[in-house]
Amino acid sequence: AQSVTQLGSHVSVSEGALVLLRCNYSSSVPPYLFWYVQYPNQGLQLLLKYTSAATLVKGINGFEAEFKKSETSFHLTKPSAHMSDAAEYFCAVSEGNQGGKLIFGQGTELSVKP
Amino acid sequence: KAGVTQTPRYLIKTRGQQVTLSCSPISGHRSVSWYQQTPGQGLQFLFEYFSETQRNKGNFPGRFSGRQFSNSRSEMNVSTLELGDSALYLCASSRRSGAGANVLTFGAGSRLTVL
Repeated sequence: AQSVTQLGSHVSVSEGALVLLRCNYSSSVPPYLFWYVQYPNQGLQLLLKYTSAATLVKGINGFEAEFKKSETSFHLTKPSAHMSDAAEYFCAVSEGNQGGKLIFGQGTELSVKP
Repeated sequence: KAGVTQTPRYLIKTRGQQVTLSCSPISGHRSVSWYQQTPGQGLQFLFEYFSETQRNKGNFPGRFSGRQFSNSRSEMNVSTLELGDSALYLCASSRRSGAGANVLTFGAGSRLTVL
C-alpha cells in the first residue's frame, strides 16, 4: 500500500535561509510524486510533480525537489526563503492508474521569520 | 480561465441533517475528485468521478455519496451528519482519469461545521 511520511509537522526558518521539507514515500510500483502548497482558507496549489522524466524537478516560486529511489525520498527545497512562502506544504503519491486518488502526507507548516 | 468552483464556501449544520456540496470543474476537465481535510486525519480521498461514473472510492461510510452530471459538474452528499464530519471538503478536477501523473487542480473548498 502507498503511504507518505513528512518529517516535521512544523518547520521554522529565517527569511533568506534554506528551506528543506522532508518527504518519504512507500510504493510497490514506480510512483508519481507531488508537492502541493496550501495558504490559509484556500485550496491546494501544485508546486511540482515527479513523473520519472528527471530526478530533479523544478517547480514554481523557486522550489525544487529531488527524487531518490534508494532513499524513497522526495524532499522539497528552496535556496532562500521569502515571507510569502509561509504556508502548509503537502507531499503526495499516486500509483499507476489511480489518477484522481492521491495519498497525502500529514503536511508541514512552514513559518518564515523576518 | 475559471478555476474549480465550490459552493457553498461555508455552512453550518446540526447532527442528523444532510448536506449537499457542489463542484464545478475547470472547463474541459472531465474528472472530479473529492477529499476531506481535518486536523486529525489530514487529507483523505473520498471518491473520483469520470464521465458520470465513479472510478475510485476511498474508505468512507456509505453516508458519503457523490454523483457527476453530463456537464462534469459534481455533487457530494453526506447524510445523517455527525460531529466528526466537520471538515474542509475539497474538490479537484483534471482532464482525464486513469493516469497517475494526472495533475489535480483544487478548488478553495467548502467548510462544513456540524453542531
